[in-house]
Amino acid sequence: GAVVSQHPSWVICKSGTSVKIECRSLDFQATTMFWYRQFPKQSLMLMATSNEGSKATYEQGVEKDKFLINHASLTLSTLTVTSAHPEDSSFYICSVTGQRYEQYFGPGTRLTVT
Amino acid sequence: GEDVEQSLFLSVREGDSSVINCTYTDSSSTYLYWYKQEPGAGLQLLTYIFSNMDMKQDQRLTVLLNKKDKHLSLRIADTQTGDSAIYFCAERGNQGGKLIFGQGTELSVKP
Repeated sequence: GAVVSQHPSWVICKSGTSVKIECRSLDFQATTMFWYRQFPKQSLMLMATSNEGSKATYEQGVEKDKFLINHASLTLSTLTVTSAHPEDSSFYICSVTGQRYEQYFGPGTRLTVT
Repeated sequence: GEDVEQSLFLSVREGDSSVINCTYTDSSSTYLYWYKQEPGAGLQLLTYIFSNMDMKQDQRLTVLLNKKDKHLSLRIADTQTGDSAIYFCAERGNQGGKLIFGQGTELSVKP
């Protein structure tokens, strides 16, 4: 399966600042990547579908101006949480899609906003 | 709409078999998946099954699919303490390859 990395693995930031999270597909050219967030003891919530070279498709209820996604190459997608607030504290996970629509996930990024 | 349901908890003794169940609503699902998540980590793909199959076995893992009842199960033979984790089933939705996840089943293995 595909190998996916995320950076950073955890980050603490002050309220009002912006944070960028990187998702890299290390051995696979990914035209599509997905971004999820996960709250403790809960399932994954799909935030957006990141498409290489075009605009991301956001799920209903996800603010596209707050969660900026850039998929500039076949191996890198970034999620920027702008003007972060404590309620944005969460576990953010990205994934890439394989040939049978299976998804390979990154290790996740723990964001804490103080 | 599409929905995937799982029971939230399962507790077994080491060496026993574990069976984690999942039901889904989208009869057009082509692929169904099982993922494992350990604390603080991403999701690890364990196995998947194509909708025209009834069963798939991979070492200690057996997946059973009852398409008529829209029921999927994951059996772990000889469960070990290292199998303690949250297990998610997922189906491929009908929109652009998105996966629809269940709530996750927390498996606790007691020595």
